Order: sequence, then structure tokens, then C-alpha cells
Amino acid sequence: EVQLVESGGGLVQPGGSLRLSCAASGFTLSSYWMSWVRQAPGKGLEWVANIKQDGSEKYYVDSVKGRFTISRDNAKNSLYLQMNSLRAEDTAVYYCARPRAIDITLDAFDIWGQGTMVTVSS
Amino acid sequence: AIRMTQSPSSFSASTGDRVTITCRASQGISSYLAWYQQRPGKAPKLLIYAASTLQSGVPSRFSGSGSGTDFTLTISCLQSEDFATYYCQQYYSYPRTFGQGTKVEIK
Repeated sequence: EVQLVESGGGLVQPGGSLRLSCAASGFTLSSYWMSWVRQAPGKGLEWVANIKQDGSEKYYVDSVKGRFTISRDNAKNSLYLQMNSLRAEDTAVYYCARPRAIDITLDAFDIWGQGTMVTVSS
Repeated sequence: AIRMTQSPSSFSASTGDRVTITCRASQGISSYLAWYQQRPGKAPKLLIYAASTLQSGVPSRFSGSGSGTDFTLTISCLQSEDFATYYCQQYYSYPRTFGQGTKVEIK
């Protein structure tokens, strides 16, 4: 079964750091661009970051540039999101997501994890 | 950034109704548009990609149309499991952006 499972969420103080992980199974992670998408409580979806198959290209939404880093370890079939200098407005459920097809840069997300909650509060 | 605007933001409908949700992009995105369904507490589910292509396993009562800047999602005969929030998303350029969502509620 194709599956993504996020972990690493929790409560962190403003200015703190957290590292999210996403474990992929049922497919070869190294064949796909991968993404993080977040959803603040009661709000809509917001794309956060993308990373190319070999990690050579990364893209971020402006609000997290310089604070968040997306990375991957294809040997471990895992995707990561290092979040530094966290703010209250980063409070959200964070989903990892996979596009439909391999080797396609422009594609919709057809596989999503269950999400992990990040709460930034003192 | 390309802004995606959905309308309406919410509405009430009855089982069996035909419903249409619209999504407008602030600039042309060709057909690089997806529609997702999200039920409370669940991850989004892909319904439509490339503006009009039905994702495998999605019921045929869902359909999408449009290109350029104006798009629609239609549910031909609303079922109880369709009461949810729907999002459009452009994947034409970075940053990827979503519409604000349309909540379909039971009348």
C-alpha cells in the first residue's frame, strides 16, 4: 500500500525549532518530487515547500523562506522539514504530499499523509 | 504569487442536487489546476487534475472544466458523502497556491 506517515509534531515555544519527518512506503521516494503542505486550525490549505528527486532544487512559500528547510534521504525513504525561528502563525497541521506521476514537475498531489500537528505557543 | 479565488465560500444543498463551484486564477494557468475534497479531520483527497481529468477511483458524478483563468467543479448528483470542503489548486508556478475553500453543507 502506498503510504506517507508524518511524525515529529508537537508544542514548541515561539523562536524554537522542530524537525518533521515523513516516512514513505509502497513506492520509491527517489522517483518523485515531494512537498509539504500545511493547514492552520479552521483555515485553508497552504503549500509550504517542494524538493526535487535528488534534492538539487527546493522551493518555498515566502513566509517560511530562511526559516524552514526541506530535505530528503532517499536511502531511508524519508522526507524532512526543519523548522526554525517558529512563530505563532506557523501553528498548523503539516502534511507531506506526493504528486501523481514520476518525472513530472507540474503535477497535482494524489498521496497525502495523515498530518502532524505543530503548535507554537508560550 | 497567483491568487486563486473560489466562489461561493459556502452553501447549503440537498442530496441529489447538481452543484457547481467556481475557481478563478489571477493570471492564466493553462490547465494546471486540481480539485481536492477534504472531510473534517482528514487529509485532502485528489478529485480532478489537469482541470478536467478524473482521478482514478473518483466517482463519475464529479467533473471539472475550464482553462486559462476560469474553472468549475461540478457534482452532478450530490451524495451524503460529498458534504465536505473543496479546494482548487494551481500547480503552474511557484508558489503553489490553493483557493480559500468551498464548504458544502446539508440543507
